Amino acid sequence: NAGVMQNPRHLVRRRGQEARLRCSPMKGHSHVYWYRQLPEEGLKFMVYLQKENIIDESGMPKERFSAEFPKEGPSILRIQQVVRGDSAAYFCASSLDLGRSSTDTQYFGPGTRLTVL
Amino acid sequence: DQQVKQNSPSLSVQEGRISILNCDYTNSMFDYFLWYKKYPAEGPTFLISISSIKDKNEDGRFTVFLNKSAKHLSLHIVPSQPGDSAVYFCAASAGSSNTGKLIFGQGTTLQVKP
Repeated sequence: NAGVMQNPRHLVRRRGQEARLRCSPMKGHSHVYWYRQLPEEGLKFMVYLQKENIIDESGMPKERFSAEFPKEGPSILRIQQVVRGDSAAYFCASSLDLGRSSTDTQYFGPGTRLTVL
Repeated sequence: DQQVKQNSPSLSVQEGRISILNCDYTNSMFDYFLWYKKYPAEGPTFLISISSIKDKNEDGRFTVFLNKSAKHLSLHIVPSQPGDSAVYFCAASAGSSNTGKLIFGQGTTLQVKP
């Protein structure tokens, strides 16, 4: 059973370009979370999605950031017009349900490291 | 507003001894707590969790203790091994939010010396 897959692992963009980060959850998982880790900080929640629905986007910046989890295919985190402050590691996690028990927890992907030049 | 705090950025212990990592939280709505371990350039790996209805949960060398009145939890690793050297994050979630979103601490870097 493959774990959470993220691609690309490394992404370099120039200021003003768009960044698209992809996440394929573990097989059977329909709950997806995106977190961002800035240098020397912990992970910060960004958005929680179920298939075709955004459930909680309270951690998403109001502008330039969007996320989707279509019926078919991976979840996408999209950052438009990137700025240097967007440089960070972006992690995706998935769970069977709400991920609040020892048998249902959030499993993380390896992350995408975004560098904005 | 740092709702989950790990006040020790780093910890160094000798192989075979106990490692104790601490975490404090401020939000009384948190009712589920987790510890994750993270190696450089990898994603966090789940270690152990505890519900607020318990005060202790044990899994092999790892034990998590929860003190609700003090809003404090700790992770004990006994005996510590060099392979345990990593960054450890505590995280919390609130069932009342009806999402599983996790609030993370800043992390503690553990170094286990051979």
